[in-house]
Amino acid sequence: ETGVTQSPTHLIKTRGQQVTLRCSSQSGHNTVSWYQQALGQGPQFIFQYYREEENGRGNFPPRFSGLQFPNYSSELNVNALELDDSALYLCASSQLIAGTYEQYFGPGTRLTVT
Amino acid sequence: GENVEQHPSTLSVQEGDSAVIKCTYSDSASNYFPWYKQELGKRPQLIIDIRSNVGEKKDQRIAVTLNKTAKHFSLHITETQPEDSAVYFCAARATGFQKLVFGTGTRLLVSP
Repeated sequence: ETGVTQSPTHLIKTRGQQVTLRCSSQSGHNTVSWYQQALGQGPQFIFQYYREEENGRGNFPPRFSGLQFPNYSSELNVNALELDDSALYLCASSQLIAGTYEQYFGPGTRLTVT
Repeated sequence: GENVEQHPSTLSVQEGDSAVIKCTYSDSASNYFPWYKQELGKRPQLIIDIRSNVGEKKDQRIAVTLNKTAKHFSLHITETQPEDSAVYFCAARATGFQKLVFGTGTRLLVSP
């Protein structure tokens, strides 16, 4: 198992509400990426944080936002929830190995929007 | 942007057989290709990866091959075991980016 943790494990929200998901990266990892994994699909890149700043973003609207803290933990915030936001949200922390960042995933947060 | 296609979507084999999963990518700048195994309800687990400066990498029963000219890479699992049953995802990443682009996944079922 990796040292990446996420909370909560499961969450049920109503359309229009806001949600905050949390991720603690593996020790020594200063980069955190967030992915959305819909049922039966591969993870889709939302954005990445490096040293507390956003360092790349996928095709997600601005109501998806994030933060990274000095200890490299991170939050994903989603405003105005829609039914299609129901998915597994994964964070991955990165370690530089031989010039490449290998990404290790946390267990995910299962978000259900009703 | 990068696009990764993965085949087959489902693969059923008998225990002891070999399994091969193939992926193609579109961005010639991609230089890092990891493979993840995801068991039901669990996190994707990095099982092997390959960088563009090598053509093949092995780790016990699993191997990955890369053909940069054709822009495709493959996962090979030999002597499959029931515990290999899972969904396998390939991914690609371009130089200077941290974003992984994933394939659509292959559900591998190994029957005893």
